[in-house]
Amino acid sequence: DAKTTQPPSMDCAEGRAANLPCNHSTISGNEYVYWYRQIHSQGPQYIIHGLKNNETNEMASLIITEDRKSSTLILPHATLRDTAVYYCIVRVVNNNAGNMLTFGGGTRLMVKP
Amino acid sequence: SQTIHQWPATLVQPVGSPLSLECTVEGTSNPNLYWYRQAAGRGLQLLFYSVGIGQISSEVPQNLSASRPQDRQFILSSKKLLLSDSGFYLCAWRTKGGTYEQYFGPGTRLTVT
Repeated sequence: DAKTTQPPSMDCAEGRAANLPCNHSTISGNEYVYWYRQIHSQGPQYIIHGLKNNETNEMASLIITEDRKSSTLILPHATLRDTAVYYCIVRVVNNNAGNMLTFGGGTRLMVKP
Repeated sequence: SQTIHQWPATLVQPVGSPLSLECTVEGTSNPNLYWYRQAAGRGLQLLFYSVGIGQISSEVPQNLSASRPQDRQFILSSKKLLLSDSGFYLCAWRTKGGTYEQYFGPGTRLTVT
């Protein structure tokens, strides 16, 4: 699986967009980019995933560069409740046993009033 | 809709005592199930996963074991706890096939004293 690199921490003002970068320069053609977040003392929460095209759902947008070597998770209007650790994960999709996720250090996003 | 339950929510156990943490999933059948552990201030570590009843794969050798006696029940056990077993234990599930969205339970915070 491709390794990902994320900044350890970021701050964002409440109501502004939070843009969380992730580098995955060794990504291969069949690997998806997944984003999860973990609010303090809770289990991780799935946010969004993508392969090539940009994706948007009710939680966030995912922008993947054309060469797929990096991506950005965008929270359009960050709230205090978005304060969490955000994990970028790159993984091949297959139906083999396990298909587990490997969580790295993530980015600790602090939304400030 | 699917829900995942874990209990107990918190647990304080002395060194050398046994452990049993339970996880159940509702609203889906034949899921893949996972046990993760998160030590304080650290990332998630996959401990076990299961693709079916009685099928357990271990990712990290340790004094913990897992069992899946029913399709939607996943149990994490230990005969004798160590201080290093303290942490936040998370159960997760995903459907087979498709992509990698995993859904996590609320977690059990274990303190071994």
